[in-house]
Amino acid sequence: DTGVSQDPRHKITKRGQNVTFRCDPISEHNRLYWYRQTLGQGPEFLTYFQNEAQLEKSRLLSDRFSAERPKGSFSTLEIQRTEQGDSAMYLCASSLDATSGYNEQFFGPGTRLTVL
Amino acid sequence: GQQVMQIPQYQHVQEGEDFTTYCNSSTTLSNIQWYKQRPGGHPVFLIQLVKSGEVKKQKRLTFQFGEAKKNSSLHITATQTTDVGTYFCAGRPRGAQKLVFGQGTRLTINP
Repeated sequence: DTGVSQDPRHKITKRGQNVTFRCDPISEHNRLYWYRQTLGQGPEFLTYFQNEAQLEKSRLLSDRFSAERPKGSFSTLEIQRTEQGDSAMYLCASSLDATSGYNEQFFGPGTRLTVL
Repeated sequence: GQQVMQIPQYQHVQEGEDFTTYCNSSTTLSNIQWYKQRPGGHPVFLIQLVKSGEVKKQKRLTFQFGEAKKNSSLHITATQTTDVGTYFCAGRPRGAQKLVFGQGTRLTINP
């Protein structure tokens, strides 16, 4: 167990509905990342937080997607007006802000989203 | 934009044979990481390479980072059934904190 938890593990929703996912990183990790993974592909970067600040965001992230990390601990990812193309595994990862530059990412189990 | 290409996409070997996967970035990287994902699981960190020309070994696994810091490889000697899974390289572009993952190489093994 890596220590990163995500909730829910599975979500089935109808097109047009809003969904929200939660990620709890390893407690001492100040960096948190969201990725999306579809079948047969590698994880695709969505966004990154250092503490509560959202420092980087993929250009692929449409305005229907928003992420927050209000207190620098857990994070939420919201998708508004879901589309069938949003169906994927949403992965959260966390890492230490290591001055050595050695910063392996610990992944959570993911939330599998199915949009009908 | 930044791209990381990984080949082959699939590799099937007999148990005991060697396996290699290759990774190539469109731009110079500050470092590269390798992850393994078992079927139904999430990516698990294997190693990070930082220096140009760096070679690291973990038991039967050998990782290399190219001199130009744009390519990398993972070689497994004498595969075992526990090596089954998808191996991803993930490059960190200079000046960024995100990782750009390759498409992965899915390894299956005939016992």
